[in-house]
Amino acid sequence: EPEVTQTPSHQVTQMGQEVILRCVPISNHLYFYWYRQILGQKVEFLVSFYNNEISEKSEIFDDQFSVERPDGSNFTLKIRSTKLEDSAMYFCASNNRGQTYEQYFGPGTRLTVT
Amino acid sequence: QQQVKQSPQSLIVQKGGIPIINCAYENTAFDYFPWYQQFPGKGPALLIAIRPDVSEKKEGRFTISFNKSAKQFSLHIMDSQPGDSATYFCAATAAGNKLTFGGGTRVLVKP
Repeated sequence: EPEVTQTPSHQVTQMGQEVILRCVPISNHLYFYWYRQILGQKVEFLVSFYNNEISEKSEIFDDQFSVERPDGSNFTLKIRSTKLEDSAMYFCASNNRGQTYEQYFGPGTRLTVT
Repeated sequence: QQQVKQSPQSLIVQKGGIPIINCAYENTAFDYFPWYQQFPGKGPALLIAIRPDVSEKKEGRFTISFNKSAKQFSLHIMDSQPGDSATYFCAATAAGNKLTFGGGTRVLVKP
């Protein structure tokens, strides 16, 4: 069964450093998302991406964040200068909206900013 | 108006019991309501979903009830098992765009 994969599973970084979180969405999906979940809290939408551009972003997704689809399979989230409050689980999701609204989530990357 | 409110925050039932989790929404543009199950350290896994033209949907031991006029929907877990112990999130989307999640319900099923 196809699945969304994410790397790394855990990233530890120092405040102010840049991090890149990577995702490989399900191969025939066209819509990609990033969500985050601060420990013990609900899952929050960050950004959606379609046809090589951002289709929607939340207020969390400020200028420190960017997304990219550098090739035909990867989808990345970059945080330019990490803050302590960026510590969270980051989930990538994908769907094929034309056929179904189901979004499938990856296992997540735990980002710890020290 | 974008919020989805979920209750209770936590629930403890005995094996075989029926945990019931409730969600309410305001945005009438929402047209798809999935439930996700999440185990510690894992990503949310799609469990079951419903559209507003249906009042009930069953998949295995999981049932969604949907009340469009009240803008409420709920998840029932029939014959609950210890392996069902997890956090459950309701969510909603309009036209398959971003998911708006409820706050989550931590369910513990005691043997």
